[in-house]
Amino acid sequence: GAGVSQSPSNKVTEKGKDVELRCDPISGHTALYWYRQSLGQGLEFLIYFQGNSAPDKSGLPSDRFSAERTGGSVSTLTIQRTQQEDSAVYLCASSAGGFSGNTIYFGEGSWLTVV
Amino acid sequence: DQQVKQNSPSLSVQEGRISILNCDYTNSMFDYFLWYKKYPAEGPTFLISISSIKDKNEDGRFTVFLNKSAKHLSLHIVPSQPGDSAVYFCAAKSPSGYALNFGKGTSLLVTP
Repeated sequence: GAGVSQSPSNKVTEKGKDVELRCDPISGHTALYWYRQSLGQGLEFLIYFQGNSAPDKSGLPSDRFSAERTGGSVSTLTIQRTQQEDSAVYLCASSAGGFSGNTIYFGEGSWLTVV
Repeated sequence: DQQVKQNSPSLSVQEGRISILNCDYTNSMFDYFLWYKKYPAEGPTFLISISSIKDKNEDGRFTVFLNKSAKHLSLHIVPSQPGDSAVYFCAAKSPSGYALNFGKGTSLLVTP
């Protein structure tokens, strides 16, 4: 597609439920990132995928968070047993390669509210 | 631990004047700095960047200045336009990684 596509755009879920957020990066982009932005905070790095390499999961806040990227394209971020502090905008981004000055293109985000 | 800090949560500037957005960082290993602009309900969009080997980069109305000794960078917008009203994020990258460290953003309002 023309840009990074994320779904759902908005999700309200009950505490304790699992949620899945999807990201479709720009066609041909090998690098994919997940960030989140909580209210009043900056963007927080979660996970990074580059080609077929093992992902960098160092930013995932707990073992309730996981992500996968199938076929080097679409990625799914899964949050299990959601908590209220998980409420945030989850932003996916992609770039043409490993970071070397290439710009990173963000999607519009998935707004998650845990009630 | 916030490695990139934007200490002004908001800024209001009159149309036609200069907007100066500031950013401080703590990690002297950062080698690349970027500014992103974000409108409500949209993802951040890349605006301008600068490598740590430079002290200035200019693109049209936007100029980024880097002062490595002070660990400070700033974004200048001249002349400011109402369409520039948005949240501006400063971001930095270290050579050992690829994840960007973002500040909390500064909300710029350009008034007619």
